[in-house]
Amino acid sequence: QKEVEQNSGPLSVPEGAIASLNCTYSDRGSQSFFWYRQYSGKSPELIMSIYSNGDKEDGRFTAQLNKASQYVSLLIRDSQPSDSATYLCAVGDGRFNKFYFGSGTKLNVKP
Amino acid sequence: DTGVSQDPRHKITKRGQNVTFRCDPISEHNRLYWYRQTLGQGPEFLTYFQNEAQLEKSRLLSDRFSAERPKGSFSTLEIQRTEQGDSAMYLCASSSLVGGSPLHFGNGTRLTVT
Repeated sequence: QKEVEQNSGPLSVPEGAIASLNCTYSDRGSQSFFWYRQYSGKSPELIMSIYSNGDKEDGRFTAQLNKASQYVSLLIRDSQPSDSATYLCAVGDGRFNKFYFGSGTKLNVKP
Repeated sequence: DTGVSQDPRHKITKRGQNVTFRCDPISEHNRLYWYRQTLGQGPEFLTYFQNEAQLEKSRLLSDRFSAERPKGSFSTLEIQRTEQGDSAMYLCASSSLVGGSPLHFGNGTRLTVT
C-alpha cells in the first residue's frame, strides 16, 4: 500500500506569518508531486506541482521536494485568512498513472 | 476550458436504492478518475479510464459500484443497493496524457444515504 502521510493539524499561524506544511511518501518510484487546497465542503483545487528536487516558487507559495528523504513541503508566505483551508499532498505514480493523497493538514490563519 | 463538470451536486437517497452520477471531463483530457472522500480523509482512488478503457479499479471497491465511459467522453458512476457507509463526496477528476500531468477535480457529488 503506497502511503502519503501528513499531520492533520490544525496548524495555526497569525496573519502575515509563514505557514509550513509537510508531507512524506512511501514509494520511491513516485515521480510527480502536487499540493491541493480544499475549502470546507468544496473539491480540491490544484495550487502547486513539483517534479524535481529543490524549490519551486509561485507567488506566495513555494514547494520543496527532497526525493532522497521522500519529503515534500509547502511554504505559504504572508499567510492570509483566506488561506485557511485543508491542504492535501498528492503523489503521482508515473508507471500506473495513479495518484495517492494524504489526509490533509488543516491550516488556520488568524487575523 | 470549462473545467470538470459533475452532476448532481447533491443526492439524498434511501438505503437500498440505486444512484448514478455523471462526470464530464475537460474536453482535451483523455484520462478520467473517480475518487471518494469522507470527512477528515483525503480522496480515495476508486477507478480510472484512459479514453473509453477502464484501466484499473480499486480492490476496495465493492461489486455494487460500476463505472463506464462510453465513447471516451463523459463517465457515469453507479452505486447499486446503496448502504449508509456509501455516504461520501464522490469526486471526478481528469488529466491529460502528458506524463506527470496533475488531476483537475470537478465540484463533486455529495451523497447522503438515509
